[in-house]
Amino acid sequence: EVQLLESGGDLVQPGGSLRLSCAASGFTFIDYAMTWVRQAPGKGLEWVSSMSGHTGTTSYADSVEGRFTVSRDNSKNTLYLQMNSLRVEDTAVYYCAKDKPYSTGWFLFFDYWGQGTLVTVSS
Amino acid sequence: DIVMTQSPDSLAVSLGERATINCKASHSVLYSSSNKNYLAWYQQRPRQPPKLLIYWASTRESGVPDRFRGSGSGTDFTLTISSLQAEDVALYYCQQFYSTPPTFGGGTKVEIK
Repeated sequence: EVQLLESGGDLVQPGGSLRLSCAASGFTFIDYAMTWVRQAPGKGLEWVSSMSGHTGTTSYADSVEGRFTVSRDNSKNTLYLQMNSLRVEDTAVYYCAKDKPYSTGWFLFFDYWGQGTLVTVSS
Repeated sequence: DIVMTQSPDSLAVSLGERATINCKASHSVLYSSSNKNYLAWYQQRPRQPPKLLIYWASTRESGVPDRFRGSGSGTDFTLTISSLQAEDVALYYCQQFYSTPPTFGGGTKVEIK
């Protein structure tokens, strides 16, 4: 059974940093691109960042480029999101999600999602 | 970026009746080389993560009831729930994965009338 478990969400002040983790199990982690998607309170879904499995290629939304860094440890089946220079508008539930098709790159549609971790940026 | 526009924002349908949700892309999401539309639909129940319902615009994900049907091509797509059940009360999102960044529609809230 595929499971994705996010952790690391917290209350942080504007300008602060946070690292999110997503522990994966139930599938061959390296074979799939992984993605962070966020959802601000009462709002829709926003893609944040993705990382391919084999090549380690990354991509970021313009809203987080230069502030967030995605990484993965394929030996630990874990995806990370390092978030620096946090802003109030980064407040959201952050989901990690697995690409559905196997690929050396990515397709960026998602068949499994974690339950999410809440990041609150406020003074 | 490709903008995804859903309509309506919300709809109320009687149990057993049909619900129809529309999604329009600002650019075609049809890859001519594969003849596939790079379009997915998700369901998000309250306090739950999204769940994949449909991909390639019309392929139902394993385990999804056949009352959910995706259709359309190019820039115009539809998700139809043929006979609404109580458990279908949720937000529904379309998403294009034709180009990066992948983008979602604003969501359609489906309720029971």
